[in-house]
Amino acid sequence: NAGVTQTPKFQVLKTGQSMTLQCAQDMNHNSMYWYRQDPGMGLRLIYYSASEGTTDKGEVPNGYNVSRLNKREFSLRLESAAPSQTSVYFCASSDLRVGNQPQHFGDGTRLSIL
Amino acid sequence: QQQVKQSPQSLIVQKGGISIINCAYENTAFDYFPWYQQFPGKGPALLIAIRPDVSEKKEGRFTISFNKSAKQFSLHIMDSQPGDSATYFCAASMGWGNTPLVFGKGTRLSVIA
Repeated sequence: NAGVTQTPKFQVLKTGQSMTLQCAQDMNHNSMYWYRQDPGMGLRLIYYSASEGTTDKGEVPNGYNVSRLNKREFSLRLESAAPSQTSVYFCASSDLRVGNQPQHFGDGTRLSIL
Repeated sequence: QQQVKQSPQSLIVQKGGISIINCAYENTAFDYFPWYQQFPGKGPALLIAIRPDVSEKKEGRFTISFNKSAKQFSLHIMDSQPGDSATYFCAASMGWGNTPLVFGKGTRLSVIA
């Protein structure tokens, strides 16, 4: 049972390069999320998709774009990477149709931008 | 404005002791309060959660205490073990968990023998 799978696990980019972080879940969840985690800052929501075909901005969306490719997959794109986007990125999923359901997280993508 | 404030930032507890982590929230519309546990190199995982219609929830050594009037909730870890050493996040959401979670900044717990 894979749960939430994120690829790649590690990546180093140069400033200005672009990249797409991939996320897939196999739990038939309707909602998916992208967070970034920085030391002392907790988890901050970048974008989320409440259901297939919809996306909404979170707390820190600037510099990012997302695509809900289908029910299973939700990608995060950095069009022109900046050093401030160096972070650990987590994808999560949940079933918002059922109350009190937890978010299931992947193990993260560690991204460094030089 | 930080919607969920968590303290302390770090905590060192002796094996067998009680670990206590506190959170406070501003938005009275929050109605779902989970705690997540994160080990190094892993994503957060749900530990225990509570709704505001109860004042306490216990699962094994882990207890959430909830004070609706003070807009505060806390995690108590009884008989703390070295394996409990991790980062703990409180969170909150509205709509009975049907909205994205807002997380506290986390508490790094170290349980020493």
